[in-house]
Amino acid sequence: GAVVSQHPSRVICKSGTSVKIECRSLDFQATTMFWYRQFPKKSLMLMATSNEGSKATYEQGVEKDKFLINHASLTLSTLTVTSAHPEDSSFYICSAPLGRGDYNEQFFGPGTRLTVL
Amino acid sequence: LAKTTQPISMDSYEGQEVNITCSHNNIATNDYITWYQQFPSQGPRFIIQGYKTKVTNEVASLFIPADRKSSTLSLPRVSLSDTAVYYCLALSNNAGNMLTFGGGTRLMVKP
Repeated sequence: GAVVSQHPSRVICKSGTSVKIECRSLDFQATTMFWYRQFPKKSLMLMATSNEGSKATYEQGVEKDKFLINHASLTLSTLTVTSAHPEDSSFYICSAPLGRGDYNEQFFGPGTRLTVL
Repeated sequence: LAKTTQPISMDSYEGQEVNITCSHNNIATNDYITWYQQFPSQGPRFIIQGYKTKVTNEVASLFIPADRKSSTLSLPRVSLSDTAVYYCLALSNNAGNMLTFGGGTRLMVKP
């Protein structure tokens, strides 16, 4: 089956530093990938849509200069949290869609737990 | 995107059948009902998707009445490992379609 990986799975950083999270579709290509953020006991919140070959589309309230997204290839999207602060601590999840004939399925990565001290 | 409404939480016991109902009164003609399962500190996992009537796979069944304003996810004979959050989404069948998650239903399976 289709697999989406994320790296790292867990990261702890100091306030003010930048952190890069990678999302890879391992056995299929994805021109579009999605980035979500999830706080404890809460649902997933869409942050942005990553588009291969063009700029990402950000949801309202998400700062594009703080959350840099680069869709470098058809199998890789990266999210960089710049100048991270403790309030950015969260669980970050990416997903990529794959067509399944008459329906489409979103495959999610395992998530990245970011802790900003 | 059609808004979905689910119970916040449900409790069950091992071996029981669990039915989780989702309301989607404003579902569009080209929307499919899709259910995801999420364990703590993991990404969501696709369970089942349907458009109308009944769909069954090795994990669950999905019942959708003719008016499509609601749907029911049925998990037969749950086990402790089925404890998770279950999300119902109504989305168009478009590969580029992002998913907007509602609150989900937190299912607790007890021994």
